[in-house]
Amino acid sequence: KAGVTQTPRYLIKTRGQQVTLSCSPISGHRSVSWYQQTPGQGLQFLFEYFSETQRNKGNFPGRFSGRQFSNSRSEMNVSTLELGDSALYLCASSRSTAQETQYFGPGTRLLVL
Amino acid sequence: QKEVEQNSGPLSVPEGAIASLNCTYSDRGSQSFFWYRQYSGKSPELIMSIYSNGDKEDGRFTAQLNKASQYVSLLIRDSQPSDSATYLCAAERSTGNQFYFGTGTSLTVIP
Repeated sequence: KAGVTQTPRYLIKTRGQQVTLSCSPISGHRSVSWYQQTPGQGLQFLFEYFSETQRNKGNFPGRFSGRQFSNSRSEMNVSTLELGDSALYLCASSRSTAQETQYFGPGTRLLVL
Repeated sequence: QKEVEQNSGPLSVPEGAIASLNCTYSDRGSQSFFWYRQYSGKSPELIMSIYSNGDKEDGRFTAQLNKASQYVSLLIRDSQPSDSATYLCAAERSTGNQFYFGTGTSLTVIP
């Protein structure tokens, strides 16, 4: 079974630009979560989608948004990029049943200049 | 107080020794706990999950859970240089659909 895939793997943007990251979950997984990982803060939860609905949201500004499509694929968007948005963005999928396990994709490394 | 706390390390052990990694969590209602391993520049990969009090063994890895003390640990027996990585502890929020992660413990196994 194919794992979680994320595109693109690397991205360089400048301040003020916007970016869209994509995540395809494992087949059969309906829940997709997004995380930001930085050396100082570790893994921070952005949001979680299930059946095209955002069920949970972390403490990030409104510049960070996401959506999920009917095939469970998900995208996240960051508008008006800031230098501090440079990070590894990880997507994780799960079946969203009891005692679920999340499986991570390879991540998208974003550098904001 | 962070939802999941881990000693950041670094933790160094000689090859063949037992490495002990510890984690505490604050959400008393959490029922599901996970250990992930993350190599530098890579994404986290699941090592083990544990849901019930006590020990759970998988090969060289043993996870221990004590819900009364809100404590989770991971023991790695016969540590190998390939075990050198950052280990992340995670707990599922009691209301579900969200996971809290610790900042990770860096482990180095010295040949």
